[in-house]
Amino acid sequence: KNQVEQSPQSLIILEGKNCTLQCNYTVSPFSNLRWYKQDTGRGPVSLTIMTFSENTKSNGRYTATLDADTKQSSLHITASQLSDSASYICVVTRDNTNAGKSTFGDGTTLTVKP
Amino acid sequence: NAGVTQTPKFQVLKTGQSMTLQCAQDMNHNSMYWYRQDPGMGLRLIYYSASEGTTDKGEVPNGYNVSRLNKREFSLRLESAAPSQTSVYFCASRSEPGSRNQPQHFGDGTRLSIL
Repeated sequence: KNQVEQSPQSLIILEGKNCTLQCNYTVSPFSNLRWYKQDTGRGPVSLTIMTFSENTKSNGRYTATLDADTKQSSLHITASQLSDSASYICVVTRDNTNAGKSTFGDGTTLTVKP
Repeated sequence: NAGVTQTPKFQVLKTGQSMTLQCAQDMNHNSMYWYRQDPGMGLRLIYYSASEGTTDKGEVPNGYNVSRLNKREFSLRLESAAPSQTSVYFCASRSEPGSRNQPQHFGDGTRLSIL
């Protein structure tokens, strides 16, 4: 069964600290993996996209890694800010030519406290 | 640039009532999608449209119908609402299904409660 599992389910950190969110998947075949940020009451917004050959990609204070051999990805947030409080969703796509073949994780809810 | 616009933002229905959720995008995207998001769960695909004139079932299509009215608009209809359809509904669009680096662009959702 194609699955995407994220951990932890929720996380609370102090402003200025770093954190790492995990995503493990069993989706096969693999086309790409995306991380989205979803603010409360809003739709998800793409942070990073990685294909099979990419193992690191950065977007400002967000750095995503991918290990296609172990089927694991992580999202590292550096020097957290209050505005980083959101849900972070990992999405793995099996076939990028078919619009329906993406599996969403349940998300990690991050709370950044002052 | 508005992106993906969903209407209404909130709606309360009684069991058995029908309604249509509207979605429009102004990015000239080919693909459009409808998802539902329930508490503690990932987004689940209801229906999608890879291009104007085509629609396909996703993971949870039962109880829903869709219409790709034109390239801009993709509507979701509940013919006879049930309490199990209480959820937040998101519409998304993407430029080309085969474009490796293009993410989906999401609207801000319709919060639907069915009593």
